[in-house]
Amino acid sequence: GENVEQHPSTLSVQEGDSAVIKCTYSDSASNYFPWYKQELGKRPQLIIDIRSNVGEKKDQRIAVTLNKTAKHFSLHITETQPEDSAVYFCAGSTGGYQKVTFGTGTKLQVIP
Amino acid sequence: GAGVSQSPSNKVTEKGKDVELRCDPISGHTALYWYRQSLGQGLEFLIYFQGNSAPDKSGLPSDRFSAERTGGSVSTLTIQRTQQEDSAVYLCASTLGLAGGETQYFGPGTRLLVL
Repeated sequence: GENVEQHPSTLSVQEGDSAVIKCTYSDSASNYFPWYKQELGKRPQLIIDIRSNVGEKKDQRIAVTLNKTAKHFSLHITETQPEDSAVYFCAGSTGGYQKVTFGTGTKLQVIP
Repeated sequence: GAGVSQSPSNKVTEKGKDVELRCDPISGHTALYWYRQSLGQGLEFLIYFQGNSAPDKSGLPSDRFSAERTGGSVSTLTIQRTQQEDSAVYLCASTLGLAGGETQYFGPGTRLLVL
């Protein structure tokens, strides 16, 4: 089955700096890669996702890049703000009816 | 529309007792997941239901854990003879289960404390 590894486990950045979280996956058939944000005490929520037919996707201050050859994908947050502090989970799936496999999470702390 | 709901929101039980946790997915969602999240930890996959297919139980940690999904909708996670290490937040999520509809919508979770 799919295995998703995520790094780093914790990340501290100064407000205004960029943050990058990286994930690798094992199943070359995976074609759907979502990212979830979980604020303290709350449920995870989707913030952005990417499919294997594109290499990059942006939504305001967040972007995700995908390298299918290397089987890794990354989340980029620019101009970080204190409200970006949360745990971020990457995931992979072959899409549709197939199970989504989550990474182990990255705790991001944005220091004001 | 209504999101994923879970009940109870909190459950305190004594070691050795059985507990049942309930998940009501979004109407029309064919896929349902259960996860366990210990304090400060990641999402530990437990079980996955997709339509009428046999569930993927590969994440259940022991035979004390079981789950069922009746009528393709409501799901119940049962933990028998609870142990203190079962204390965690149990999260349920549902998805449309179709290509383009893989977004997982999580419930608020059930916080289980085993004394």
